[in-house]
Amino acid sequence: AQSVTQLDSHVSVSEGTPVLLRCNYSSSYSPSLFWYVQHPNKGLQLLLKYTSAATLVKGINGFEAEFKKSETSFHLTKPSAHMSDAAEYFCVVTLNTNAGKSTFGDGTTLTVKP
Amino acid sequence: GAVVSQHPSWVICKSGTSVKIECRSLDFQATTMFWYRQFPKQSLMLMATSNEGSKATYEQGVEKDKFLINHASLTLSTLTVTSAHPEDSSFYICSALPPGGGQPQHFGDGTRLSIL
Repeated sequence: AQSVTQLDSHVSVSEGTPVLLRCNYSSSYSPSLFWYVQHPNKGLQLLLKYTSAATLVKGINGFEAEFKKSETSFHLTKPSAHMSDAAEYFCVVTLNTNAGKSTFGDGTTLTVKP
Repeated sequence: GAVVSQHPSWVICKSGTSVKIECRSLDFQATTMFWYRQFPKQSLMLMATSNEGSKATYEQGVEKDKFLINHASLTLSTLTVTSAHPEDSSFYICSALPPGGGQPQHFGDGTRLSIL
């Protein structure tokens, strides 16, 4: 079994300040973890992925995430928020044994204030 | 460019109409594709797993006869909402899974379905 908890439903930051979107997971096996971003009326775009290689993963648009097995966390960060980062973010866990079937977090809405 | 193409992006139709949504994998052959439904301000809800050359696997509570899935080729899966009613109005998103373990799904841009 696997589950994902995004700890904040809404996060609001000012432009130019750091972003932290929190994600905790539970999994019976070593999972693959992903962060996706969704803009209004669009599909999901992959930001980054962790698949048992380096624990610090760098993604697109300046985002990165660190896999911490001891804390079962995979938090998403960005040093400096941009207005265009305002969107919905989803943390996703996939077990390789589950034919790619994924479990999605409930999402975090990121608001960026000017 | 887009890895997965979903068409149409918007559909408005009358109650009782059947609507077909296409999902094409452009860059790789996808034996597995997924169909999701998303309500406003909510996460994605998996409806079914589409398997090339075999029957789709539906999630609990999803009506097979209402949501027909066909995955006849390695690059195309279709979702047909049969006899659609206003409660079927939603945002439907497909994804394609590249071969090999641990790969991320690639998502289409979604289809906004509005039933009048």
